[in-house]
Amino acid sequence: DTEVTQTPKHLVMGMTNKKSLKCEQHMGHRAMYWYKQKAKKPPELMFVYSYEKLSINESVPSRFSPECPNSSLLNLHLHALQPEDSALYLCASSQEKGTDMNTEAFFGQGTRLTVV
Amino acid sequence: AQTVTQSQPEMSVQEAETVTLSCTYDTSENNYYLFWYKQPPSRQMILVIRQEAYKQQNATENRFSVNFQKAAKSFSLKISDSQLGDTAMYFCAFMKRWVSARQLTFGSGTQLTVLP
Repeated sequence: DTEVTQTPKHLVMGMTNKKSLKCEQHMGHRAMYWYKQKAKKPPELMFVYSYEKLSINESVPSRFSPECPNSSLLNLHLHALQPEDSALYLCASSQEKGTDMNTEAFFGQGTRLTVV
Repeated sequence: AQTVTQSQPEMSVQEAETVTLSCTYDTSENNYYLFWYKQPPSRQMILVIRQEAYKQQNATENRFSVNFQKAAKSFSLKISDSQLGDTAMYFCAFMKRWVSARQLTFGSGTQLTVLP
């Protein structure tokens, strides 16, 4: 199983709503990531979890709150978002450390978020 | 900090022909990996090919091969016998070798269209 599964695939939310994005992998990866991607742009790293602990927060506004409840799951809680937060949110996972044979990051299909 | 530059925002190629996508990067690191990821309209980022910087031999994967010039900091992707399914956004990406978690620095992307 080399899949990273993200739900939902599409989400429309109002600026006062609270919602969560979910990401799941069963590859035994101990590093998980959230990226934000605007149309026709590269992904931008938001958060990195390493062994279920937040290791990198790329100065993301507090209206985005990540959570890693266990080694297979990663959530992104959303609250009081702005229209400019509309984007594709990608989850990825990888080995945390290791040999040259396992450098690959596996990505999910993303959640297309629209804030209205 | 690393930077990755893709100078071709869009390219097109006739089916069955060969096309080369360009990528240059800047880093002070000596040990790193370079990747080409593909993102089709389905949105999922898929690894196309990987190159370890310490290996002089250029990586190949079926119809995909790279021209890695470490001194020039250049990493181009050649797609042979182009197929309609190769239509996608292609991202060049950089990753340091001896770090925990697999943080990728992406280029701006090249939209490749394969024409029938």
